[in-house]
Amino acid sequence: AQKITQTQPGMFVQEKEAVTLDCTYDTSDPSYGLFWYKQPSSGEMIFLIYQGSYDQQNATEGRYSLNFQKARKSANLVISASQLGDSAMYFCAMRLSGGYQKVTFGTGTKLQVIP
Amino acid sequence: KAGVTQTPRYLIKTRGQQVTLSCSPISGHRSVSWYQQTPGQGLQFLFEYFSETQRNKGNFPGRFSGRQFSNSRSEMNVSTLELGDSALYLCASSPTDRGVIAGELFFGEGSRLTVL
Repeated sequence: AQKITQTQPGMFVQEKEAVTLDCTYDTSDPSYGLFWYKQPSSGEMIFLIYQGSYDQQNATEGRYSLNFQKARKSANLVISASQLGDSAMYFCAMRLSGGYQKVTFGTGTKLQVIP
Repeated sequence: KAGVTQTPRYLIKTRGQQVTLSCSPISGHRSVSWYQQTPGQGLQFLFEYFSETQRNKGNFPGRFSGRQFSNSRSEMNVSTLELGDSALYLCASSPTDRGVIAGELFFGEGSRLTVL
Protein backbone atom coordinates (compact mmCIF):
# COMPACT_ATOMS: atom_id res chain seq x y z
CA ALA A 1 0.00 0.00 0.00
CA GLN A 2 1.16 3.51 -0.69
CA LYS A 3 1.59 6.21 1.93
CA ILE A 4 2.31 9.93 1.92
CA THR A 5 3.78 11.65 4.98
CA GLN A 6 3.81 15.38 5.60
CA THR A 7 5.41 16.11 8.95
CA GLN A 8 4.81 19.87 9.10
CA PRO A 9 1.26 20.62 10.28
CA GLY A 10 1.87 24.36 9.96
CA MET A 11 4.49 26.77 8.74
CA PHE A 12 5.08 30.50 8.61
CA VAL A 13 7.07 32.34 5.97
CA GLN A 14 7.84 35.98 5.42
CA GLU A 15 6.48 37.53 2.26
CA LYS A 16 8.99 37.36 -0.64
CA GLU A 17 10.98 34.61 1.07
CA ALA A 18 11.27 31.02 -0.18
CA VAL A 19 9.75 28.12 1.74
CA THR A 20 10.09 24.34 1.52
CA LEU A 21 7.23 22.01 2.36
CA ASP A 22 8.30 18.47 3.14
CA CYS A 23 6.81 15.28 1.72
CA THR A 24 7.98 11.69 1.92
CA TYR A 25 6.29 8.76 0.30
CA ASP A 26 6.34 5.02 0.49
CA THR A 27 5.56 2.58 -2.29
CA SER A 28 7.10 -0.53 -3.76
CA ASP A 29 5.69 0.25 -7.19
CA PRO A 30 8.43 1.55 -9.52
CA SER A 31 5.95 3.59 -11.56
CA TYR A 32 4.16 6.42 -9.82
CA GLY A 33 3.33 10.08 -10.03
CA LEU A 34 3.69 12.69 -7.34
CA PHE A 35 1.52 15.79 -7.11
CA TRP A 36 1.18 18.89 -5.02
CA TYR A 37 -2.17 20.59 -4.52
CA LYS A 38 -3.11 23.85 -2.84
CA GLN A 39 -6.37 24.21 -0.95
CA PRO A 40 -7.45 27.76 -0.04
CA SER A 41 -10.12 28.33 2.55
CA SER A 42 -12.75 28.12 -0.20
CA GLY A 43 -12.16 24.35 -0.34
CA GLU A 44 -11.22 23.85 -3.97
CA MET A 45 -8.10 21.78 -4.62
CA ILE A 46 -5.76 23.52 -7.05
CA PHE A 47 -3.12 21.54 -8.91
CA LEU A 48 0.38 22.98 -8.59
CA ILE A 49 2.99 20.59 -9.92
CA TYR A 50 3.60 17.00 -11.03
CA GLN A 51 6.66 14.71 -10.95
CA GLY A 52 6.83 11.28 -12.55
CA SER A 53 8.94 8.57 -10.98
CA TYR A 54 10.98 8.19 -14.17
CA ASP A 55 11.50 11.89 -14.74
CA GLN A 56 15.19 12.74 -14.66
CA GLN A 57 14.79 16.40 -13.85
CA ASN A 58 12.95 18.13 -11.06
CA ALA A 59 9.63 19.62 -12.11
CA THR A 60 9.14 23.37 -12.10
CA GLU A 61 6.02 25.48 -12.63
CA GLY A 62 6.56 29.19 -12.23
CA ARG A 63 7.34 29.88 -8.58
CA TYR A 64 6.86 26.22 -7.68
CA SER A 65 9.53 23.58 -7.94
CA LEU A 66 9.58 20.00 -6.75
CA ASN A 67 12.77 18.73 -5.14
CA PHE A 68 12.58 15.05 -6.08
CA GLN A 69 15.00 12.72 -4.30
CA LYS A 70 14.04 9.24 -5.40
CA ALA A 71 16.49 7.33 -3.20
CA ARG A 72 15.18 9.15 -0.14
CA LYS A 73 11.59 8.88 -1.34
CA SER A 74 11.05 12.57 -0.84
CA ALA A 75 9.23 15.11 -2.98
CA ASN A 76 9.49 18.48 -1.29
CA LEU A 77 7.71 21.53 -2.68
CA VAL A 78 9.67 24.75 -2.89
CA ILE A 79 7.78 28.00 -3.25
CA SER A 80 9.99 30.93 -4.18
CA ALA A 81 9.16 34.56 -3.47
CA SER A 82 6.13 33.81 -1.27
CA GLN A 83 3.04 35.95 -1.71
CA LEU A 84 0.18 36.61 0.67
CA GLY A 85 -2.08 34.63 -1.65
CA ASP A 86 0.04 31.55 -1.03
CA SER A 87 -1.49 31.19 2.43
CA ALA A 88 -3.39 27.91 2.23
CA MET A 89 -3.25 24.19 2.94
CA TYR A 90 -0.81 22.26 0.78
CA PHE A 91 -1.20 18.56 0.06
CA CYS A 92 1.30 16.13 -1.33
CA ALA A 93 -0.24 13.23 -3.22
CA MET A 94 0.67 10.11 -5.14
CA ARG A 95 -0.90 7.97 -7.84
CA LEU A 96 0.31 4.52 -8.82
CA SER A 97 0.40 3.28 -12.39
CA GLY A 98 -2.31 0.71 -11.84
CA GLY A 99 -4.40 2.85 -9.57
CA TYR A 100 -6.52 4.50 -12.23
CA GLN A 101 -7.42 7.86 -10.78
CA LYS A 102 -7.06 6.86 -7.14
CA VAL A 103 -4.81 9.38 -5.47
CA THR A 104 -3.42 9.06 -1.96
CA PHE A 105 -3.02 12.34 -0.10
CA GLY A 106 -0.87 13.39 2.82
CA THR A 107 -2.32 15.15 5.85
CA GLY A 108 -1.34 18.56 4.56
CA THR A 109 0.70 21.55 5.69
CA LYS A 110 -0.93 24.85 6.54
CA LEU A 111 1.23 27.66 5.20
CA GLN A 112 0.79 31.21 6.41
CA VAL A 113 2.59 34.04 4.66
CA ILE A 114 3.37 37.01 6.89
CA PRO A 115 3.53 40.54 5.45
CA LYS B 1 -13.83 26.05 -20.36
CA ALA B 2 -16.11 25.39 -17.39
CA GLY B 3 -14.57 23.69 -14.39
CA VAL B 4 -15.88 20.85 -12.28
CA THR B 5 -19.25 21.77 -10.82
CA GLN B 6 -20.59 20.28 -7.63
CA THR B 7 -24.06 20.75 -6.21
CA PRO B 8 -25.22 21.50 -3.66
CA ARG B 9 -22.37 23.45 -2.11
CA TYR B 10 -23.76 23.24 1.41
CA LEU B 11 -26.36 21.04 3.00
CA ILE B 12 -27.55 20.03 6.43
CA LYS B 13 -29.12 16.66 7.15
CA THR B 14 -30.10 14.73 10.24
CA ARG B 15 -28.99 11.28 11.28
CA GLY B 16 -30.71 8.48 9.41
CA GLN B 17 -31.47 10.56 6.34
CA GLN B 18 -29.90 10.02 2.97
CA VAL B 19 -28.19 12.49 0.68
CA THR B 20 -27.30 12.71 -3.00
CA LEU B 21 -24.47 14.87 -4.26
CA SER B 22 -23.92 15.75 -7.89
CA CYS B 23 -20.80 16.38 -9.93
CA SER B 24 -20.47 17.63 -13.49
CA PRO B 25 -16.96 17.06 -14.82
CA ILE B 26 -15.07 19.21 -17.25
CA SER B 27 -16.35 18.67 -20.76
CA GLY B 28 -14.54 15.75 -22.37
CA HIS B 29 -13.37 14.20 -19.11
CA ARG B 30 -14.62 10.66 -18.69
CA SER B 31 -13.11 9.85 -15.31
CA VAL B 32 -14.78 11.12 -12.16
CA SER B 33 -13.56 10.34 -8.67
CA TRP B 34 -14.88 11.26 -5.25
CA TYR B 35 -13.03 12.09 -2.04
CA GLN B 36 -14.14 12.68 1.52
CA GLN B 37 -12.26 15.28 3.54
CA THR B 38 -12.55 15.48 7.31
CA PRO B 39 -10.32 17.12 9.92
CA GLY B 40 -9.60 13.76 11.53
CA GLN B 41 -9.07 11.50 8.52
CA GLY B 42 -7.90 13.99 5.92
CA LEU B 43 -8.61 13.29 2.27
CA GLN B 44 -9.81 9.78 1.58
CA PHE B 45 -10.62 8.20 -1.75
CA LEU B 46 -14.21 7.03 -2.08
CA PHE B 47 -14.54 5.71 -5.62
CA GLU B 48 -13.86 6.38 -9.26
CA TYR B 49 -16.02 6.02 -12.34
CA PHE B 50 -14.99 5.80 -15.94
CA SER B 51 -17.47 5.44 -18.79
CA GLU B 52 -20.28 4.63 -16.35
CA THR B 53 -18.29 1.85 -14.66
CA GLN B 54 -16.91 1.92 -11.15
CA ARG B 55 -13.32 0.80 -11.50
CA ASN B 56 -11.89 1.57 -8.08
CA LYS B 57 -13.33 1.83 -4.61
CA GLY B 58 -11.96 3.01 -1.29
CA ASN B 59 -12.54 1.55 2.16
CA PHE B 60 -15.97 2.91 2.92
CA PRO B 61 -19.10 1.07 4.02
CA GLY B 62 -21.81 0.12 1.59
CA ARG B 63 -23.85 3.15 2.67
CA PHE B 64 -21.67 5.11 0.28
CA SER B 65 -22.51 4.52 -3.35
CA GLY B 66 -22.22 6.30 -6.62
CA ARG B 67 -22.96 6.17 -10.29
CA GLN B 68 -22.01 7.83 -13.51
CA PHE B 69 -24.26 8.72 -16.38
CA SER B 70 -23.60 8.54 -20.10
CA ASN B 71 -22.75 12.25 -20.17
CA SER B 72 -20.05 11.59 -17.51
CA ARG B 73 -21.96 13.42 -14.80
CA SER B 74 -21.73 11.57 -11.52
CA GLU B 75 -23.72 11.31 -8.34
CA MET B 76 -22.81 9.90 -4.99
CA ASN B 77 -25.29 8.82 -2.37
CA VAL B 78 -24.93 8.29 1.33
CA SER B 79 -27.74 6.44 3.05
CA THR B 80 -28.57 6.26 6.74
CA LEU B 81 -26.40 9.24 7.57
CA GLU B 82 -24.22 9.21 10.67
CA LEU B 83 -22.65 12.13 12.51
CA GLY B 84 -19.25 11.01 11.25
CA ASP B 85 -20.34 11.54 7.65
CA SER B 86 -20.08 15.29 8.16
CA ALA B 87 -17.36 16.28 5.72
CA LEU B 88 -16.38 18.11 2.60
CA TYR B 89 -17.04 15.84 -0.38
CA LEU B 90 -14.82 16.63 -3.31
CA CYS B 91 -15.32 15.49 -6.86
CA ALA B 92 -12.49 15.41 -9.36
CA SER B 93 -12.39 14.76 -13.07
CA SER B 94 -9.55 13.73 -15.32
CA PRO B 95 -9.11 13.19 -19.02
CA THR B 96 -6.61 10.39 -18.55
CA ASP B 97 -7.19 6.70 -18.77
CA ARG B 98 -5.86 3.66 -16.99
CA GLY B 99 -2.11 3.33 -16.81
CA VAL B 100 -1.50 6.98 -17.40
CA ILE B 101 -0.27 8.40 -14.17
CA ALA B 102 0.48 11.87 -15.43
CA GLY B 103 -2.25 14.40 -15.70
CA GLU B 104 -3.68 16.11 -12.71
CA LEU B 105 -7.10 15.75 -11.20
CA PHE B 106 -9.32 18.79 -11.60
CA PHE B 107 -11.36 19.33 -8.46
CA GLY B 108 -14.64 21.04 -7.82
CA GLU B 109 -15.21 23.29 -4.82
CA GLY B 110 -16.88 20.51 -2.93
CA SER B 111 -20.15 19.86 -1.17
CA ARG B 112 -20.02 20.52 2.54
CA LEU B 113 -22.31 18.13 4.38
CA THR B 114 -23.28 18.63 8.00
CA VAL B 115 -25.11 15.83 9.77
CA LEU B 116 -26.97 16.79 12.94
